[in-house]
Amino acid sequence: EILLTQSPGTLSLSPGERATLSCRASQSVRSSHLAWYQQKPGQVPRLVIYGDSTRATGIPDRFSGSGSGTDFTLTISRLEPEDFAVYFCQQYSILPLTFGGGTKVEI
Amino acid sequence: QVQLQESGPGLVKPSETLSLTCAVSGYSLSNGFFWGWIRQPPGKGLEWVGTVYPTGNTYYNPSLKSRVTISVDTSKNQFSLRLSSVTAADTAVYYCARPRISVANNPFDIWGQGTMVTVSS
Repeated sequence: EILLTQSPGTLSLSPGERATLSCRASQSVRSSHLAWYQQKPGQVPRLVIYGDSTRATGIPDRFSGSGSGTDFTLTISRLEPEDFAVYFCQQYSILPLTFGGGTKVEI
Repeated sequence: QVQLQESGPGLVKPSETLSLTCAVSGYSLSNGFFWGWIRQPPGKGLEWVGTVYPTGNTYYNPSLKSRVTISVDTSKNQFSLRLSSVTAADTAVYYCARPRISVANNPFDIWGQGTMVTVSS
């Protein structure tokens, strides 16, 4: 099982700032098998990035994903008010599918 | 478009079996595709429970494998989750979801609204 560790646990930023979220895997994740989700309070998780760096439908280009092997990053170039949420990474390189513990991006 | 809706009891007693159903609209399960269950304890992260293909192929999280069964009913266009011998640790919001493409290991891009299940006597 691949364990995913996200850091930091909480990121306190202001609108317009850049957010950098980290996801580290316990073993190498096969290329293009890392995804990111956004979840707002009381809402369903929403797929943001898949294939390491491909934006899902309707996701603005201020969101970008990068990384390989065991280290991955989600970057939000300029935070908009609607971006404040919890973000989870997920690996789908091998079963079982696993998720990171999440990073909360707060104002 | 494809929509998913979970249903089932919101309260289950310890040691009993949790049973949930996910009704699918906008897509016929007879056409295939993988379908999954994910859960989220209150205030915590996401945990993959398992994934099923309508032909019966199933993939379960090893941490739950001895207690979980996922099945498909194509006549009702729904799939179901059964989790036996539940404890308080199984208290969570349970989501049904569909992966972005039809492979067992793929991220989920269509989710149901989720249903809260509490395990308590």
